[in-house]
Amino acid sequence: QKEVEQNSGPLSVPEGAIASLNCTYSDRGSQSFFWYRQYSGKSPELIMSIYSNGDKEDGRFTAQLNKASQYVSLLIRDSQPSDSATYLCAVKGGSSGKSTFGDGTTLTVKP
Amino acid sequence: NAGVTQTPKFRILKIGQSMTLQCTQDMNHNYMYWYRQDPGMGLKLIYYSVGAGITDKGEVPNGYNVSRSTTEDFPLRLELAAPSQTSVYFCASSLSKGGAGELFFGEGSRLTVL
Repeated sequence: QKEVEQNSGPLSVPEGAIASLNCTYSDRGSQSFFWYRQYSGKSPELIMSIYSNGDKEDGRFTAQLNKASQYVSLLIRDSQPSDSATYLCAVKGGSSGKSTFGDGTTLTVKP
Repeated sequence: NAGVTQTPKFRILKIGQSMTLQCTQDMNHNYMYWYRQDPGMGLKLIYYSVGAGITDKGEVPNGYNVSRSTTEDFPLRLELAAPSQTSVYFCASSLSKGGAGELFFGEGSRLTVL
């Protein structure tokens, strides 16, 4: 079992729709959870971080964390073509300080 | 602030050659990391450092070496390059181990081994 697993893509949604990206992790001691966006040929950039159970909203983005289920998700509302990218889920262990990444989900938003 | 700077951006190596990927950060971050990313895959940790003079292996350290003589610099050395090391390499840094330990990435170094 991979340490961090993301729903396999690619994911395609029409412009204006909600895109839902999911991630599960195996280490129950994980404390920090991140979503990075990576455009083709570019480096990852942080778009959301979440540390406690529940929802965290930032503009059109909402991150959801459920530690009991070891599940973290990212919702993108009113999806735009500029949201087309690969989204990487990263989980940071409490003691090691290392971030482990999933393989990413590629999102395409069609005009 | 320049953030995290990596050089070179592109490099072609022949099998058996060696090279060093340079990484410098000007944010005074203690934690620095080297990841590699193969096509269509996520990031795999090669080595990391929690401060000057301290380094540790990640998931895929074989064929690589690192050093951390200063807070700012974290070079990655490839010895005896192999085709399996063809990848994009990202250097990253973070301020803290836990909590808001988000990663700041360099622009990446694309390495091809022929």
